[in-house]
Amino acid sequence: QKEVEQNSGPLSVPEGAIASLNCTYSDRGSQSFFWYRQYSGKSPELIMSIYSNGDKEDGRFTAQLNKASQYVSLLIRDSQPSDSATYLCAVDNTGGFKTIFGAGTRLFVKA
Amino acid sequence: EAQVTQNPRYLITVTGKKLTVTCSQNMNHEYMSWYRQDPGLGLRQIYYSMNVEVTDKGDVPEGYKVSRKEKRNFPLILESPSPNQTSLYFCASRRSGANSPLHFGNGTRLTVT
Repeated sequence: QKEVEQNSGPLSVPEGAIASLNCTYSDRGSQSFFWYRQYSGKSPELIMSIYSNGDKEDGRFTAQLNKASQYVSLLIRDSQPSDSATYLCAVDNTGGFKTIFGAGTRLFVKA
Repeated sequence: EAQVTQNPRYLITVTGKKLTVTCSQNMNHEYMSWYRQDPGLGLRQIYYSMNVEVTDKGDVPEGYKVSRKEKRNFPLILESPSPNQTSLYFCASRRSGANSPLHFGNGTRLTVT
């Protein structure tokens, strides 16, 4: 089992729709969870961070965390073509000395 | 401007020729790390450093060396590069402690022929 798993996609949604990205992790002691967006050939940039169970909203983005199910998700409302990118789920291991990334989900938003 | 600076951005070299990729951050971060990114495999950690003179192996350390003599710098050294080290490399830094996201450099695309 991979430490952090994501559907590789691609996920294709029409403009204005909600994009839902999912991630599961294996380390039950993990406390910090992040979503990064990466455009082709560019470096990852932080979109959301979440540290406690429940939802966290920031503009069009909502991160959801369920530690009991070891599940993290990212919702993008009113998706725009500029949201087309690869989204990386990242989890800090127990102790916080390693950040482990999923392989990423490619999102395409069709105009 | 707070940033992580990597150099060079692109590098083409031949098998066995030693090379160094530099990384510097100006945010006074204790933690620094190197990742490589390959299609379908995502970002994999090579080495990390919790502070000056403290380094440890990540998941794919073979063929790489690092040093952390100063807080701001964390160079990645390939003593004898091989074609399987052709990849996109990222340096990243963050504050120590929990709940601290990584800040990434712009990446170095390395090709070893």
